[in-house]
Amino acid sequence: EAQVTQNPRYLITVTGKKLTVTCSQNMNHEYMSWYRQDPGLGLRQIYYSMNVEVTDKGDVPEGYKVSRKEKRNFPLILESPSPNQTSLYFCASSWADSYEQYFGPGTRLTVT
Amino acid sequence: AQSVSQHNHHVILSEAASLELGCNYSYGGTVNLFWYVQYPGQHLQLLLKYFSGDPLVKGIKGFEAEFIKSKFSFNLRKPSVQWSDTAEYFCAVNEPGSARQLTFGSGTQLTVLP
Repeated sequence: EAQVTQNPRYLITVTGKKLTVTCSQNMNHEYMSWYRQDPGLGLRQIYYSMNVEVTDKGDVPEGYKVSRKEKRNFPLILESPSPNQTSLYFCASSWADSYEQYFGPGTRLTVT
Repeated sequence: AQSVSQHNHHVILSEAASLELGCNYSYGGTVNLFWYVQYPGQHLQLLLKYFSGDPLVKGIKGFEAEFIKSKFSFNLRKPSVQWSDTAEYFCAVNEPGSARQLTFGSGTQLTVLP
């Protein structure tokens, strides 16, 4: 089944403790992206990647890192999480020549 | 920068009522337009999309949307809603060739009362 998977789905952590949220897709998509969803703000893009080893900042990149060492994986790294990063995070992917994105199930992160 | 406005933050309807959700975008050039739906506890799913051609596009589950270029709008409609349409709806816009791809609106929460 074609899908985007994220792990973990739920995470509660404390300020300053490094964490990684994984994202993997099995559709051979070139493009991958991370969004955060906050009430009243919709989805805002954090980082995106056009292909392996090619990443760029979205609208709200501060406090986040990404890497794209393999085509199928695009982990989101929070080196020193803070409470304002409490949010619902979505990974998405698409083919390079398509604007239709496929979304993962979301990761609900709480930073205390 | 591109921006997308969804004017209705929360809409409450009774079953069988007609639905129209507004979406306006700021970019004056060619755009690709999308409506996504997020059912409670689920990920975003594509409802419909417009790239070119007939400005009235039909999507899944009886939804349709009309692209009106002169108004920079892409409103979502459904003639008769069901309780199962309760969800959050997001309009999204893309500038062709933009590496940044989708810009989302803030979303509209639709509650359908049985």
